[in-house]
This record gives sequence, structure tokens and C-alpha cells, in this order.
Amino acid sequence: DVKVTQSSRYLVKRTGEKVFLECVQDMDHENMFWYRQDPGLGLRLIYFSYDVKMKEKGDIPEGYSVSREKKERFSLILESASTNQTSMYLCASIEAGELFSGNTIYFGEGSWLTVV
Amino acid sequence: AQKVTQAQTEISVVEKEDVTLDCVYETRDTTYYLFWYKQPPSGELVFLIRRNSFDEQNEISGRYSWNFQKSTSSFNFTITASQVVDSAVYFCALTPERGFQKLVFGTGTRLLVSP
Repeated sequence: DVKVTQSSRYLVKRTGEKVFLECVQDMDHENMFWYRQDPGLGLRLIYFSYDVKMKEKGDIPEGYSVSREKKERFSLILESASTNQTSMYLCASIEAGELFSGNTIYFGEGSWLTVV
Repeated sequence: AQKVTQAQTEISVVEKEDVTLDCVYETRDTTYYLFWYKQPPSGELVFLIRRNSFDEQNEISGRYSWNFQKSTSSFNFTITASQVVDSAVYFCALTPERGFQKLVFGTGTRLLVSP
């Protein structure tokens, strides 16, 4: 059974704290993504990675960074958490080369982060 | 730029009613893929369907059906004889064949099915 696992389902952090959200996939996928989901805004791409140590900014990268030291793990980092980063965070992975050809996109269960 | 519009923010129906969720998209790509996902209260995104831009055949899967019309850039989703378990947020999404990292989601439609 293929899986994308997000280490924490629910977190409460204080303003200014450094926060790590971890995502691990067991499918040997090259491509991994971090999305943020907010009511009325849908899912917005924060960062994606198409290979180890490779990363690219998505639509809303401000206030976030990422790390991909191993193929199976993609971490989202909030250097100094703020209340406007309270949200649901979703990790995803996909096996694809240069072109998408209908491969399945796998999502984790989501991490609910509250910054107080 | 790509865009997916789900104009219906929330829909409430009574069990056994039919309901259609609208999805309108914009893209300049000739080859692209459209998706529908279901997100129950647990939060996980559940894949429902994928359709590529060259396949305009409508699809039926049990109580679910999808109507893809390239002429109107729409990919609507109909649930027949809705059930309480259908209550969820439904997302429509779009990706080009090239540059699939730019997978774009609509804002979602919350469906509430009451007994």
C-alpha cells in the first residue's frame, strides 16, 4: 500500500518558534510538494522538489523554507512561525518525468498547525 | 496562467437528491489533465477521477458522473441520489502535461447532505 506520511497531524506552536513539518513517502517518487489549505482559498503550492537537494518556489513561499536531503523525505520549515501561518498543510508526491502522463498524485493526511 | 474556478462555495441538499458541482478552468495548454478530489472531515484528499484533455467522453462510476466539455472549459461532477457520506469538500484541479508542478486547485465546494 503506497503511502505519504506526515509526521504530525495536529500541532500548536507559539509565535516566533521554528516549526518543522515532515513528510515521508515510500514510493521512490522524485517529485514532492507542500501545499497550504485555507477556507475559501483552496490548496496553494508553497514549494516543490523534483529531486534530492532540488527545490523550487511555488505560489506562496514567503515565510517558508524546505529541505530534501533524502529522496523519501521532504520537510517544510517555518523559520519563525506567525499567526497567519495557522493552516492545514498537505504533502504530496508523484512519480513523473518531464511530462505528466496521468500518474497518480498521492497526498498525506494533512497537518493542522495552530500558531498562538 | 492556469486557473480553476469552483463558484459554488457550499451546497446543501437532502439525502437522495441529485447534486452537480461545477468546475470551470482556464489554460493555454493543449494537453492537460483535470481531476476531482474529495476531502472528508478527516482531511485526507481522496482521488475520484482524472481526465486528459483529449478524452471528452463522459464517465459514470456508480452514483458519480462527470461531464467534460472542452467547448465551455467545464468539468462538472454530479452525484446521483446523494447520501450523508457524500458530505465533504470537493476540489477540482488542473495540471498541464508539461510543468505539472503547477498543479492548480479550485477553492473547493463544501457539500452538506442531510438525512
